[in-house]
Amino acid sequence: QQQVKQSPQSLIVQKGGISIINCAYENTAFDYFPWYQQFPGKGPALLIAIRPDVSEKKEGRFTISFNKSAKQFSLHIMDSQPGDSATYFCAASMGTSGTYKYIFGTGTRLKVLA
Amino acid sequence: GAVVSQHPSRVICKSGTSVKIECRSLDFQATTMFWYRQFPKQSLMLMATSNEGSKATYEQGVEKDKFLINHASLTLSTLTVTSAHPEDSSFYICSAGRDLPSYNEQFFGPGTRLTVL
Repeated sequence: QQQVKQSPQSLIVQKGGISIINCAYENTAFDYFPWYQQFPGKGPALLIAIRPDVSEKKEGRFTISFNKSAKQFSLHIMDSQPGDSATYFCAASMGTSGTYKYIFGTGTRLKVLA
Repeated sequence: GAVVSQHPSRVICKSGTSVKIECRSLDFQATTMFWYRQFPKQSLMLMATSNEGSKATYEQGVEKDKFLINHASLTLSTLTVTSAHPEDSSFYICSAGRDLPSYNEQFFGPGTRLTVL
């Protein structure tokens, strides 16, 4: 019930295409859903995040779609570029001040072909 | 986003020695700091959560006597791997949490690659 399932494990997209990564959760107590981008040998960087009171959030080429009833959320990368090649992690969080904890998905390795 | 530094970025040590890793939140006071471990091509595994001035909370299966965490201030947390062995070799990443109404943003450091010979 604490798991966050992420798919696909790997993804190859042509330059200019749309990359879509999906995550699903079970625990309805989760109330914050961030996405992180990680390059090899580096720490994850916060890309974009959403709360369950909205169904979509867009920042530049990155969009999160959130389906509360299906308990699913996805990251869309529009006009994908070779520089977007990285591993992407979704996460889900719940808790109160001092007790927050993230549950991470298993990651998606994205490769954008030039 | 906020900036979190980690030092050292890479350390190689002999088996049996202790290694200290520092994590600093540079531009905000972190309510909570987190320590993760990441194996190659795998996800982040939370090791422990620490709040300033109190004892760290360790995840199940993480040896608290082996991985000592000190959270001395709102901007500094340290992880000490005591009596390190080759199986402790890994990528260790800290994050600093910023509490907002109803949720918490985590900003990650660049990670520390530990190799135990």
